[in-house]
Amino acid sequence: DIQMTQSPASLSASLGETVTIECLASEDIYDILAWYQQKPGKSPQLLIYDASSLHTGVPSRFSGSGSGTQYSLKINSLQPEDFASYYCQNGLSAPRTFGAGTKLELK
Amino acid sequence: QVQLKESGPGLVQPSRTLSLTCTVSGFSLTSYGVSWVRQPPGKGLEWIAAIWSGGSTDYNSALKSRLSISRDTSKSQVLLKMNSLQTEDTAMYFCARDTIAAGYFDYWGQGVMVTVSS
Repeated sequence: DIQMTQSPASLSASLGETVTIECLASEDIYDILAWYQQKPGKSPQLLIYDASSLHTGVPSRFSGSGSGTQYSLKINSLQPEDFASYYCQNGLSAPRTFGAGTKLELK
Repeated sequence: QVQLKESGPGLVQPSRTLSLTCTVSGFSLTSYGVSWVRQPPGKGLEWIAAIWSGGSTDYNSALKSRLSISRDTSKSQVLLKMNSLQTEDTAMYFCARDTIAAGYFDYWGQGVMVTVSS
């Protein structure tokens, strides 16, 4: 199974800041990577697919990049609604695997 | 519009079998797959199983011996069964639309909380 190592586990930032979350796959996943946002008590919401494609309705301050085994999610100009947990997910094949998550908190 | 809704018992006794149903609308199970994902309280997401548009299935290798996923296309339902439940299986269980080629979950249900306790 492909392992996804996500960092950092937690992140503290201020409104208006820019943050980056990293995800490392145990083997090449050919950009078949998705990012999700999850708020407490809610189901995850798709942000990015195919490493860098923005899902419908997702604000442009979110962006994804990377290739091979290394990927990142960048959030520009943090807004109050962005403070949540974020997960990367390998979609190259089954079994699907998730990173352990990053909790983004307001400083 | 696309919707998924999970249903099942809130409380299951240890060693018993869990049966969950995901009822979908707005798309056909013969065109899209559905995956089950769970999340223990305060922890991360774990993919459990998928049934694809052609009817083939895939399972989490660590849970495979305890799992069965099936579907009833006439009812637009995906069924998940997990046997020999333990307290570690206590979690929120989500179903999500999946496509083996696309590799991501674009729509999710609201989830159903399952507690394993005597």
